[in-house]
Amino acid sequence: GESVGLHLPTLSVQEGDNSIINCAYSNSASDYFIWYKQESGKGPQFIIDIRSNMDKRQGQRVTVLLNKTVKHLSLQIAATQPGDSAVYFCAEPTCGNTGANSKLTFGKGITLSVRP
Amino acid sequence: DGGITQSPKYLFRKEGQNVTLSCEQNLNHDAMYWYRQDPGQGLRLIYYSQIVNDFQKGDIAEGYSVSREKKESFPLTVTSAQKNPTAFYLCASSIGQLSSPLHFGNGTRLTVT
Repeated sequence: GESVGLHLPTLSVQEGDNSIINCAYSNSASDYFIWYKQESGKGPQFIIDIRSNMDKRQGQRVTVLLNKTVKHLSLQIAATQPGDSAVYFCAEPTCGNTGANSKLTFGKGITLSVRP
Repeated sequence: DGGITQSPKYLFRKEGQNVTLSCEQNLNHDAMYWYRQDPGQGLRLIYYSQIVNDFQKGDIAEGYSVSREKKESFPLTVTSAQKNPTAFYLCASSIGQLSSPLHFGNGTRLTVT
């Protein structure tokens, strides 16, 4: 498969533990954030999103926290499983050629490795 | 099933040749995007199109060209002018509003020798 995680920061967790993946964003005007999961050889999959009028949003086994004061986003995965091993990206809208917030910009990604 | 189809999954070309990567979606999405991914890197935007017959350069458009003649199709041509064409190319689509997630295909790995 595609080694998209090569040389990326890595978070190693024990199966069953909770994982916290962090992301700092740059655009203080951003009003929408998304977390994606990318498994080897595949395209990124949408996990969860959050709008700037919220501080927290929960999904199935995942929670996204948004701290607008320090421009920080985190993804928490409860009871991490081997299938959670992947590269995780945060993304935010940024200005494109057609005007404000017309494209999505991705962070560099973090590799999550789950130890059995 | 609705989704985005990229083909082929692996593509090999000789240096100096143009090559076109296919991207088709049946999600009825207005917007489509092409990203490039290199090992250890995030996704970098090449081109995007928010509506048929219109497209915009992304952050790394040099050496690439696109067309958007149909809503469901957004082919990417990697030209011989692209200095480092070997990469993993990802196509995505969305309903067109930036407060909506992108749906990605499974990518095409292009190797140029």
